[in-house]
Amino acid sequence: GQNIDQPTEMTATEGAIVQINCTYQTSGFNGLFWYQQHAGEAPTFLSYNVLDGLEEKGRFSSFLSRSKGYSYLLLKELQMKDSASYLCAVIGRRSGAGSYQLTFGKGTKLSVIP
Amino acid sequence: DAGVIQSPRHEVTEMGQEVTLRCKPISGHDYLFWYRQTMMRGLELLIYFNNNVPIDDSGMPEDRFSAKMPNASFSTLKIQPSEPRDSAVYFCASSFSLQGGDGYTFGSGTRLTVV
Repeated sequence: GQNIDQPTEMTATEGAIVQINCTYQTSGFNGLFWYQQHAGEAPTFLSYNVLDGLEEKGRFSSFLSRSKGYSYLLLKELQMKDSASYLCAVIGRRSGAGSYQLTFGKGTKLSVIP
Repeated sequence: DAGVIQSPRHEVTEMGQEVTLRCKPISGHDYLFWYRQTMMRGLELLIYFNNNVPIDDSGMPEDRFSAKMPNASFSTLKIQPSEPRDSAVYFCASSFSLQGGDGYTFGSGTRLTVV
């Protein structure tokens, strides 16, 4: 099966840097995504990692270590509008011979305070 | 492009009634996904289609749920009969590929309340 773990909640200060961790277990790993979801809205795509290393996109960066089953999302220069849930999601097989599918973690609710 | 369009935005229905949720994917996207989101279980994949063909429906809770995609621009998710535990936000998403680096585009969701 698949298992994705991330902290439930985090709080950080405006202008600071925050790192949201994600660990996963899956069969047939084929990529990891981070999505942002504001309250009452749809998830929106932030980043994609399939190889080990760091992917940078503006204030947001995402890191992947496939051997450790570990990823993190790094948010720099935090702004109030970054208060949202951040969802880690993995492409893998539900079971050994099953089809590939994108499975989401339960999300980390980030609160940015002044 | 108008993005992924879902209707209705909100649905309140009585237990036992039939509910139909609708989705129009982004033109050109070959994959369409139905997800359900609750506080307890997060975002769960119910079913997905590739080129209008259902590929994996192992996430569909039970026979009360059914999904169709009669053409490339329309899909429905039907619950019959509905139960209070079906209350959730149902999202439709579409993409060019299953594991593409551009991610999935989600619709605004349908908030279903079964009383």
